[in-house]
Amino acid sequence: GAGVSQTPSNKVTEKGKYVELRCDPISGHTALYWYRQSLGQGPEFLIYFQGTGAADDSGLPNDRFFAVRPEGSVSTLKIQRTERGDSAVYLCASSLYPTGSRDEQYFGPGTRLTVT
Amino acid sequence: GIQVEQSPPDLILQEGANSTLRCNFSDSVNNLQWFHQNPWGQLINLFYIPSGTKQNGRLSATTVATERYSLLYISSSQTTDSGVYFCAVEPLRGGGNKLTFGTGTQLKVEL
Repeated sequence: GAGVSQTPSNKVTEKGKYVELRCDPISGHTALYWYRQSLGQGPEFLIYFQGTGAADDSGLPNDRFFAVRPEGSVSTLKIQRTERGDSAVYLCASSLYPTGSRDEQYFGPGTRLTVT
Repeated sequence: GIQVEQSPPDLILQEGANSTLRCNFSDSVNNLQWFHQNPWGQLINLFYIPSGTKQNGRLSATTVATERYSLLYISSSQTTDSGVYFCAVEPLRGGGNKLTFGTGTQLKVEL
């Protein structure tokens, strides 16, 4: 079946602009995660949704970052007043089970964000 | 939070060689996954292995949860195995459902 999809694949924006990144999880997966990967590093957790609600947003770096998942499927990561330090690859993952057993996460191809 | 260390950081192999990658973690885990990040950046699931041993073709993995480490074995390596290998864990206590990644092992397989 189809995997996790993310759009756009690349986004170039100017400092100070607003951007939205979209994630479409695997069909039927109830849990959705956003991570951010900087060059030469492993991905770092941003936020986790169980259904429509954000169960853990402890990884969001500041209040310029916000994410929604209004219908429990597609999610949008929103970044306001972008800064050059926000440049990174933003990865989305989904998993079938919310907690406990077998919560294997599957990742999308990522959105490469460049802030000029 | 939980710490994840991977070794070696870099590895160069001749095609056909075998290798072992190691992942050490600092606390008990509920989930451990191995990923291969290909040159295009896609994270490919290799193993979901919070404990025990699994094999998939030329790859196998072992996690010894009581000693807090996992090993990924690659046999008869091929150039397509090149990329970065990540270990990622979810703590058993207090970590929620988020994965904490190690810094990865950069593997290059040469002809």
